[in-house]
This record gives sequence, C-alpha cells and structure tokens, in this order.
Amino acid sequence: DQQVKQNSPSLSVQEGRISILNCDYTNSMFDYFLWYKKYPAEGPTFLISISSIKDKNEDGRFTVFLNKSAKHLSLHIVPSQPGDSAVYFCAASVSGGSEKLVFGKGTKLTVNP
Amino acid sequence: DSGVTQTPKHLITATGQRVTLRCSPRSGDLSVYWYQQSLDQGLQFLIQYYNGEERAKGNILERFSAQQFPDLHSELNLSSLELGDSALYFCASSVVSSATQYFGPGTRLTVL
Repeated sequence: DQQVKQNSPSLSVQEGRISILNCDYTNSMFDYFLWYKKYPAEGPTFLISISSIKDKNEDGRFTVFLNKSAKHLSLHIVPSQPGDSAVYFCAASVSGGSEKLVFGKGTKLTVNP
Repeated sequence: DSGVTQTPKHLITATGQRVTLRCSPRSGDLSVYWYQQSLDQGLQFLIQYYNGEERAKGNILERFSAQQFPDLHSELNLSSLELGDSALYFCASSVVSSATQYFGPGTRLTVL
C-alpha cells in the first residue's frame, strides 16, 4: 500500500516557465511534508517542507502548497532553470515518534534551455 | 554537501557474504536513519537510531542489523546477502528526532 504517490514519473518544461510537481497521500496522520531533489549518484537534498498547520510555504523560487482536504501537495518552481533538472521526491511523516520519512517514487524533471 | 558521510561509495560482493556500511552524521546530529533505494521500491525506511538507542524499525530484514556508537556514527550490517539486496543504501541524520533529515551520498551495493 503506497501511502505517498507521485503519479507523474516525468515532467518536461521550458527554461523560465513554471514547473509544478504533484504528490498525493493517503495517511491522514501525516502532518509534515517535505520535498527532496536528487541528482544521479548523489543523495537526496532537502529542498522545502511544510507543516500541516500551514497551506503554503515559500523559499525563493520554490513554493509548496498543501491541500489537506484533498490530501494533496504540490511543489512550484518559478522560474525553472536547467540546473533544476533532477528527480524530485515527495516525503511525509507523522510527528511525535520516529518521524521516519515515507517517500513517493519520484518525478524526473527536465528543464529544457 | 550535506555533512553526512558514508563509506564505502561502492561495494561489490557475492551472494551469501556479509558487508558493513558506515555512516557519520552531521556534527551535532543525534539521530541516524537508514534507507534502502531499489529500482522498483523507491526509498524505503529501514531503521532509526537516536543517541545510541534504536528508535524505530521499518521494513528491515532479519538478516540486516544496525547500531549507533558512542561517537554517534552508525553501521548497517547486511548478512547472507541475496541478489535482491542490490540497492542504494542511504544514511540520513537530524538534530533530534526530526523529520527534516539530511542525506549522505549513499553506498551502492551490488550482489553478484
């Protein structure tokens, strides 16, 4: 049972445009959500997170939106740059214990010059 | 650079063998997590240690074990290796038991 789903295995956008990566979850106990970026042969790099008490968090070109009623979150990258090309993982956790991360399977973003 | 180090970077071994993967967390981080990334399963949580004590277990096989030492580095021991154990193994650390975890570069294990 996959609790965190990224239904788009890949996404291609033009440089300068917006990239929108989506993530759905099924476990209503999740209260903290994160996005990681991963380049080949490297470990995941933390990008941005959001607590379930918020519906938006912004950090530079990256914004994460959380819709709790729909159990959906998205990552917006504006403007997209070729260096953003990587695999993006959505992850979720439940506070107050291990806070182990449950990951989606990732979306490969390609930003074309 | 996340500040988390893992050794070795690559490991090639045969079925039935035993290997040890090592992780040094970021300076000051007390919590260490181990994850496995295989082609079809994505990143899966294996086990967490906090300040030397096991904190949580995920889908970790009985053939696998881990520990965290007084200097806070951690080792993941994999024994009786099978072909299906071939994967990337990541270590992550956090200051306390925190969801914002910082990942090392991983160890690629190939079992032949």
